[in-house]
Amino acid sequence: AQSVTQLGSHVSVSEGALVLLRCNYSSSVPPYLFWYVQYPNQGLQLLLKYTSAATLVKGINGFEAEFKKSETSFHLTKPSAHMSDAAEYFCAVSDRLGNTGKLIFGQGTTLQVKP
Amino acid sequence: SQTIHQWPATLVQPVGSPLSLECTVEGTSNPNLYWYRQAAGRGLQLLFYSVGIGQISSEVPQNLSASRPQDRQFILSSKKLLLSDSGFYLCAWSRGQQSSEQYFGPGTRLTVT
Repeated sequence: AQSVTQLGSHVSVSEGALVLLRCNYSSSVPPYLFWYVQYPNQGLQLLLKYTSAATLVKGINGFEAEFKKSETSFHLTKPSAHMSDAAEYFCAVSDRLGNTGKLIFGQGTTLQVKP
Repeated sequence: SQTIHQWPATLVQPVGSPLSLECTVEGTSNPNLYWYRQAAGRGLQLLFYSVGIGQISSEVPQNLSASRPQDRQFILSSKKLLLSDSGFYLCAWSRGQQSSEQYFGPGTRLTVT
């Protein structure tokens, strides 16, 4: 069975600093991995996804994530944080059973950006 | 392009009253559909998913039910709301493949009083 663990429920960075949000997965088969962002009182928006092509995946809003099989990780990074990046971030792994399209989400990480 | 709608955006209902939340998808056919709930300060909980008309799978036992009367319509219902049903309800769709991402609607904020 697949699972996802997000390390750190809250991360605080200064504006202009590096953003690093951690995600580790568990999967018995090659995983499909996703990062989503949620702003207050809104739905989730896809930032990027990994589907076994390039291990470094670039997404929207300057975010990128690197798939590391040896570390079972898919950490999300952004070189320079903006105030507008303050939001909740979710890592997810695809449930590889059948074609339900179900995603298994981590518990989320709240990113705070300080001026 | 595809669009997903949810309504209402906010809802305040008394305990014991019925509930009906609606989700519709435009611009695609035969999507997989999902209902999630977010309780305050907690993550996403998958409630139901559907791979076709009339096909509903429940992920957790609860006071809620779901129906899919049309290909691109997904309804979440309850006959009698509980306080614990309060939360943010999200509908999503996907193409149903294992590599498919899900696309989320704007959500409905439900407060049960």
